[in-house]
Amino acid sequence: GNSVTQMEGPVTLSEEAFLTINCTYTATGYPSLFWYVQYPGEGLQLLLKATKADDKGSNKGFEATYRKETTSFHLEKGSVQVSDSAVYFCALQIGNQFYFGTGTSLTVIP
Amino acid sequence: GAGVSQTPSNKVTEKGKYVELRCDPISGHTALYWYRQSLGQGPEFLIYFQGTGAADDSGLPNDRFFAVRPEGSVSTLKIQRTERGDSAVYLCASSLTGSTGVSYNEQFFGPGTRLTVL
Repeated sequence: GNSVTQMEGPVTLSEEAFLTINCTYTATGYPSLFWYVQYPGEGLQLLLKATKADDKGSNKGFEATYRKETTSFHLEKGSVQVSDSAVYFCALQIGNQFYFGTGTSLTVIP
Repeated sequence: GAGVSQTPSNKVTEKGKYVELRCDPISGHTALYWYRQSLGQGPEFLIYFQGTGAADDSGLPNDRFFAVRPEGSVSTLKIQRTERGDSAVYLCASSLTGSTGVSYNEQFFGPGTRLTVL
């Protein structure tokens, strides 16, 4: 079946620290991969995406590379800010169905 | 412009009652999705509409759940004989067109309806 497994949180980092949130997937066929973010009190927003193997999605300093050989799509940011505090969801798309991970809560402290 | 809106924002009901949850997608978006998000979990796909028709309802958990989109815009998720296990946040998303295996259209999510079944 299709599923996403992502690193459990919560994650707490100091400002300017390096961030990695791991995400691996299982899929039948060739999925597109996404990271969504949910800021406190807001709805889910698309952060970045990659539609085929070796693509790198990037936005707001965040990056993730679609690795078919390791079935992974890890989220990284070189220097986090307090404003990055949110819940991050990894997701895959097969056809018109989307499968989300359980979410990783990130808190960045000054 | 206006985003996806959902009403009510919160709904408390008793076990066995019927509820309706409403979603207003972004104007012009032909694709509409419903998800359910339980506490500590990611969104779980329920149903996808392309226009007025349910193109994929394989995520609906059982026949107590039903959704309609009669005019291809507003959608209503209906839950009959609610159970305590139905308590969750119900999310709606819309996109310009449906996603295919080749291209992707960004989904815009509403704020959700928090359903509590007592």
